[in-house]
Amino acid sequence: QQQVKQSPQSLIVQKGGISIINCAYENTAFDYFPWYQQFPGKGPALLIAIRPDVSEKKEGRFTISFNKSAKQFSLHIMDSQPGDSATYFCAAFSPGGTSYGKLTFGQGTILTVHP
Amino acid sequence: ETGVTQSPTHLIKTRGQQVTLRCSSQSGHNTVSWYQQALGQGPQFIFQYYREEENGRGNFPPRFSGLQFPNYSSELNVNALELDDSALYLCASSLGGRETGELFFGEGSRLTVL
Repeated sequence: QQQVKQSPQSLIVQKGGISIINCAYENTAFDYFPWYQQFPGKGPALLIAIRPDVSEKKEGRFTISFNKSAKQFSLHIMDSQPGDSATYFCAAFSPGGTSYGKLTFGQGTILTVHP
Repeated sequence: ETGVTQSPTHLIKTRGQQVTLRCSSQSGHNTVSWYQQALGQGPQFIFQYYREEENGRGNFPPRFSGLQFPNYSSELNVNALELDDSALYLCASSLGGRETGELFFGEGSRLTVL
């Protein structure tokens, strides 16, 4: 299975709150799990990423939690700000063959942070 | 260090026409991947180029083709355009074919097929 399932589809939080986006995967060959942030009319920008040998990674207000046994990972945005309003995609990287790799993306979460 | 640049940013074609999209990879990156992002969806892998050869393809028909040049820039060509080809086409560059999942995306080319 190559799917990555992401939830929720949309999320509204108040300024200063915590935003949590969840993803689940099936393919155990995935070995790198990035999160991308995308603003309207722009390409996805790499936000933070984790490898499966680590259970948590924090960069500033952004934290990835990773549960290898459950095949789930999540993004936590602490102290959410209106400038964080964007679409967030989880992704998983896998070797697609002997010489290349590809990202499989979730369906995206539209985050709106109200001031 | 220059980022990934794509051109054109927007274009409109009619069904049956052909289109060429261009991408310059980030400085020092030797691998280019192309993704299609339909409205409201996550990007879908089209193919990847490494050392001027296609070395991986997603579930896209042969009318989607590409090139990579010695300077690592790349083109995506789509023949016989269909309405469903309307999407944002994203180019991503990285270092190495499969060693890393750290991809850097351009801002995309928005294709509308009428």
